[in-house]
Amino acid sequence: NAGVTQTPKFQVLKTGQSMTLQCAQDMNHNSMYWYRQDPGMGLRLIYYSASEGTTDKGEVPNGYNVSRLNKREFSLRLESAAPSQTSVYFCASSEAGRGGREQFFGPGTRLTVL
Amino acid sequence: AQSVTQLDSQVPVFEEAPVELRCNYSSSVSVYLFWYVQYPNQGLQLLLKYLSGSTLVKGINGFEAEFNKSQTSFHLRKPSVHISDTAEYFCAVSGSGGYQKVTFGTGTKLQVIP
Repeated sequence: NAGVTQTPKFQVLKTGQSMTLQCAQDMNHNSMYWYRQDPGMGLRLIYYSASEGTTDKGEVPNGYNVSRLNKREFSLRLESAAPSQTSVYFCASSEAGRGGREQFFGPGTRLTVL
Repeated sequence: AQSVTQLDSQVPVFEEAPVELRCNYSSSVSVYLFWYVQYPNQGLQLLLKYLSGSTLVKGINGFEAEFNKSQTSFHLRKPSVHISDTAEYFCAVSGSGGYQKVTFGTGTKLQVIP
């Protein structure tokens, strides 16, 4: 099992450009998440999908959109990138249901917006 | 609302010495608590979690944590650290009922000195 995979691993964008970060999991998990990690701020939730067909905003959703394409895939789109979106982006997945479920993380995408 | 505070952003410790990484949480409901570890240029992985029962939780790589409800703390300890423990450690909290998002702390960088 590959677990959670993310593409690309690195990306450099110019201000105003758009891109989509891809995430896929092969653990048959219902719930998927997108986080951003910035120095001194820990992980902040951008969007999540509790189950296939649903998506909800997290703590920092502005400037992002998501698509839960199917049970395996959850993509994050930046429509018009800004320097403030320079960050490391992590996708994660977990089983659905009650809290306490372990989240499994991908290796991250390092994004720089110039 | 729930929150997590990790007061120490960096903790240097000599190899084979004991270490404690501090975590305090705030929540109006019953909680589940987690410690995740992030090695350089990797995603996060679960070290241990507290759901219920014994307040002393043992995890991987010789780490353990103690849940203290009266002090709202969940400190992580290891009696003797190794160079390979150099990483960033994140405390996290979620509510215990229904579907619950996870809130992460800002992280503590553990630097093990040879």
